[in-house]
Amino acid sequence: KAGVTQTPRYLIKTRGQQVTLSCSPISGHRSVSWYQQTPGQGLQFLFEYFSETQRNKGNFPGRFSGRQFSNSRSEMNVSTLELGDSALYLCASSLSRDNEQFFGPGTRLTVL
Amino acid sequence: GEDVEQSLFLSVREGDSSVINCTYTDSSSTYLYWYKQEPGAGLQLLTYIFSNMDMKQDQRLTVLLNKKDKHLSLRIADTQTGDSAIYFCAESQDNAGNMLTFGGGTRLMVKP
Repeated sequence: KAGVTQTPRYLIKTRGQQVTLSCSPISGHRSVSWYQQTPGQGLQFLFEYFSETQRNKGNFPGRFSGRQFSNSRSEMNVSTLELGDSALYLCASSLSRDNEQFFGPGTRLTVL
Repeated sequence: GEDVEQSLFLSVREGDSSVINCTYTDSSSTYLYWYKQEPGAGLQLLTYIFSNMDMKQDQRLTVLLNKKDKHLSLRIADTQTGDSAIYFCAESQDNAGNMLTFGGGTRLMVKP
């Protein structure tokens, strides 16, 4: 069974631009969560989607948004990029809520 | 709010046992997880323990949970150089779905 896939793997943007990251969960998994990993703040929860609905949101500004499609694939969007948004963005999928989560390899975003 | 703490660094010799410790503050934690992250990679789920368990063993891995002290440990028997990585503990709470709160990670270095 294929694991969680994330595209693109690497991305370079400039301040003020916007970016969309994609996550395809493991087949059959319906829950997708997103995390941001930075050297300073560590791993922080962004949001969780289940059945195309956002179920939980972390403490991030409104520039960070996401959505989930009917096939459980998810995208997250960051608008008006700032230097501090440079990070590894990790997506995790699970069968349902309160199940073990499996992480993808991440998308490394660099904002110049 | 919830807080998860880990020591930053651990160095062991190949063949020795490694013990990585984690403390958490939220008594409503439902599941506690151990993830491994190798350079440039996402998070690999190693094992997890439900909060009503004291111990879980899985091959070379032993997880001990002291719920009274809110202390979690991961013991790796016969540590190998391939075990060198960053280890994260994480907790999820009842009714919080898939929102994980991570510790800062412990870098394990295994010397030959």
